[in-house]
Amino acid sequence: DQQVKQNSPSLSVQEGRISILNCDYTNSMFDYFLWYKKYPAEGPTFLISISSIKDKNEDGRFTVFLNKSAKHLSLHIVPSQPGDSAVYFCAARLPGGTSYGKLTFGQGTILTVHP
Amino acid sequence: NAGVTQTPKFRILKIGQSMTLQCTQDMNHNYMYWYRQDPGMGLKLIYYSVGAGITDKGEVPNGYNVSRSTTEDFPLRLELAAPSQTSVYFCASSYRAGGTEAFFGQGTRLTVV
Repeated sequence: DQQVKQNSPSLSVQEGRISILNCDYTNSMFDYFLWYKKYPAEGPTFLISISSIKDKNEDGRFTVFLNKSAKHLSLHIVPSQPGDSAVYFCAARLPGGTSYGKLTFGQGTILTVHP
Repeated sequence: NAGVTQTPKFRILKIGQSMTLQCTQDMNHNYMYWYRQDPGMGLKLIYYSVGAGITDKGEVPNGYNVSRSTTEDFPLRLELAAPSQTSVYFCASSYRAGGTEAFFGQGTRLTVV
């Protein structure tokens, strides 16, 4: 039972253009969503997050949008840079009192940004 | 500033052998986690700990054991290695249950042959 899904295994974009990575979830109890970035041979690193009470969060070139009714979130990277090439994981968390910070991850999307 | 440190980085085990994956964090985090990542899959939680002496199972605990005798260390033990345990293992820690991001180690790539 995959509660968090990233249906696009890979995405290729040109430098300077927008990258849009998508994520769908099934559990309406998730209250926090996070995006992690992972380079080869390294652990995932936190990128940006959004609470379920918001619909948008922005941090520099990165913006995450949340559509609760559709149970969908997306990560926008504008403008995309070659250094953004990595695997991006979407993750979701249940409310703090019951989750103990445990995360449910999607399968990941490999982003390649071409110069 | 070490963060989360995992050892070893790579290991090849024979079926039936045992080993311990080490994980240490220097951020005084109470919450620690072990995840595994299989090819083309997301990370799946094996075990987690909310503090020294307290551990609990995650999604995929079978074949593994953990202990948490100190705040800093959270070793993962494989008793009888099986090919299905071939994976990349990540240890992570976070400051509190309601905290947002977890900090991850660099991973241990384990192959069971």
